[in-house]
Amino acid sequence: GENVEQHPSTLSVQEGDSAVIKCTYSDSASNYFPWYKQELGKGPQLIIDIRSNVGEKKDQRIAVTLNKTAKHFSLHITETQPEDSAVYFCAALQAGTALIFGKGTTLSVSS
Amino acid sequence: DAGITQSPRHKVTETGTPVTLRCHQTENHRYMYWYRQDPGHGLRLIHYSYGVKDTDKGEVSDGYSVSRSKTEDFLLTLESATSSQTSVYFCAISELGGQRTEAFFGQGTRLTVV
Repeated sequence: GENVEQHPSTLSVQEGDSAVIKCTYSDSASNYFPWYKQELGKGPQLIIDIRSNVGEKKDQRIAVTLNKTAKHFSLHITETQPEDSAVYFCAALQAGTALIFGKGTTLSVSS
Repeated sequence: DAGITQSPRHKVTETGTPVTLRCHQTENHRYMYWYRQDPGHGLRLIHYSYGVKDTDKGEVSDGYSVSRSKTEDFLLTLESATSSQTSVYFCAISELGGQRTEAFFGQGTRLTVV
């Protein structure tokens, strides 16, 4: 089955800096890669996603890049703000049926 | 917010007792999932369903069973709870079709097995 590795497990940045979180996946047949943000006491929420026929996608301060050959994808957050502090999860869609998640990255943005 | 309700939200139970968690959706989504979240392990898939009475195992299915008798309800049962099943359990729903691939999560159920 699919295996998703995520790094780093924790990330601390100053407000205004950029943050990058990286993930690798094992199943070359996976074709959908979402990123979720989880705030304390809540369920994860989708913030951005990318499909295998696209190399990059942006939404305001957030961008995701995908390298199918290397089987890795990354989340980029620019101009970080304290409200970006949360746990971020990457995921890959296994066999078109279920999302397999990485272990998460705790992002702390200090002002 | 997507119409997903998990019940109960919190539960404390004793080792060896059966426990059933319920996920109810009002979105008529085909796919439903149960994940558990533990520190250092992220979200791990327990079981999922792709239709009424159609279910499959996930990464960590041992000790768990599921049932889906109606589109809107997906039940997770711990036949004989153990302390290793202390966790936060999340239900998720999705259509996984075309542009409707997003998975929506419930608020979670915190289960403590003592």
